[in-house]
Amino acid sequence: EVQLVQSGAEVREPGESLKISCKGSGYSFTNYWIGWVRQMPGKGLEWMGMIYPGDSDTRYSPSFRGQVTISADKSISAAYLQWTSLKASDTAIYYCARQGNYFDSWGQGTLVTVSS
Amino acid sequence: QAVVTQEPSVTVSPGGTVTLTCGSSTGAVTSGHYPYWFQQRPGQAPRTLIYDTNKKHSWTPARFSGSLLGGKAALTLSGAQPEDEAEYYCSLSYSGVRVFGGGTKVTVL
Repeated sequence: EVQLVQSGAEVREPGESLKISCKGSGYSFTNYWIGWVRQMPGKGLEWMGMIYPGDSDTRYSPSFRGQVTISADKSISAAYLQWTSLKASDTAIYYCARQGNYFDSWGQGTLVTVSS
Repeated sequence: QAVVTQEPSVTVSPGGTVTLTCGSSTGAVTSGHYPYWFQQRPGQAPRTLIYDTNKKHSWTPARFSGSLLGGKAALTLSGAQPEDEAEYYCSLSYSGVRVFGGGTKVTVL
């Protein structure tokens, strides 16, 4: 069974750094693009970018380029979304999804709360 | 960046038919935009119903279908069920960059 399991909820203060994870299982992790999607409170879905774990080829939405870093560690079948300096406006649920097979599998989401 | 537009909300009667549309600020939507449709129920992660305009995943109920209609991507729900009440998002690809629409809230009433 294909599964994407995301790391747990996080609470941070503005200016802090954060890295959340998405671990894949049940398939060859290196062979499928993993995408990241943001959902701010009460709002719609926003595509942030994607990574191909096989060679770490990464693409970003222009809206998120320079704001976050997407990475992967294929040795442990994990993809990551990272911030160096969080803002209150980064408060959202972040989903990973197996974009490379037509978004057939989604993680459960990670709630990130940024508040002083 | 392109803007993808959807109706904010629609209401359909149980057993009725409704069509949601998905437009692009850059012009007509084509199969080259690889339209996707996602369903999201409150408190749940999204799930993909339709990909590449009209292809279905194994879990996609037969009452959902995708197409291109009048320069837009379309999702038709035929025979609405109470469990279809949800938010529906379309997404288009622009040279590999995915853009989501704002979503359509479907009420079955």
